[in-house]
Amino acid sequence: GQQVMQIPQYQHVQEGEDFTTYCNSSTTLSNIQWYKQRPGGHPVFLIQLVKSGEVKKQKRLTFQFGEAKKNSSLHITATQTTDVGTYFCAGRAGSARQLTFGSGTQLTVLP
Amino acid sequence: KAGVTQTPRYLIKTRGQQVTLSCSPISGHRSVSWYQQTPGQGLQFLFEYFSETQRNKGNFPGRFSGRQFSNSRSEMNVSTLELGDSALYLCASSMGSLRDTKDTQYFGPGTRLTVL
Repeated sequence: GQQVMQIPQYQHVQEGEDFTTYCNSSTTLSNIQWYKQRPGGHPVFLIQLVKSGEVKKQKRLTFQFGEAKKNSSLHITATQTTDVGTYFCAGRAGSARQLTFGSGTQLTVLP
Repeated sequence: KAGVTQTPRYLIKTRGQQVTLSCSPISGHRSVSWYQQTPGQGLQFLFEYFSETQRNKGNFPGRFSGRQFSNSRSEMNVSTLELGDSALYLCASSMGSLRDTKDTQYFGPGTRLTVL
């Protein structure tokens, strides 16, 4: 079945440093979504990427979808303590409706 | 619009018991998906309901079941609870159109189930 791997599992950064999490799928994806889960909270939808090579920005967050539509990344510039949480990618393969989630990257930002 | 609501928020049960969790989707959303989240396994898909029918199912034993009502509210049932069923159970709602593979899921706050 489809697998979505996400690295790193944990990342500790000093406030102001950049952060990147990577997502790789075993199959070509029709689209990929990114979610953020704060400690004690639930996943909150951030963004969806659909096109090959697509890049989207949300303030300090930059999301990329690979040319082959099998990988994606989330980059945060100049992290802040409010960025703390676990970031998940979730992909759909082909015409499937089911989302397969990556294992998540837990980000800690040290003040 | 009100968000996805789940009840109860916390639950403590003992092995062998059964439990029913409830999820009310965002108004107008017809699809409800259920996930199990544990520290070791991440977010695991349980099943999806649309128009009162199970549309997709993950790899969980038959002890896990669900249903959806005509108002799109959904319930999930776990019978003969095991210690390993302790987890955060999340439901997510979406519009659910079969032709829309870009459908976005919105999660509820989850039910924290502890099995003793």
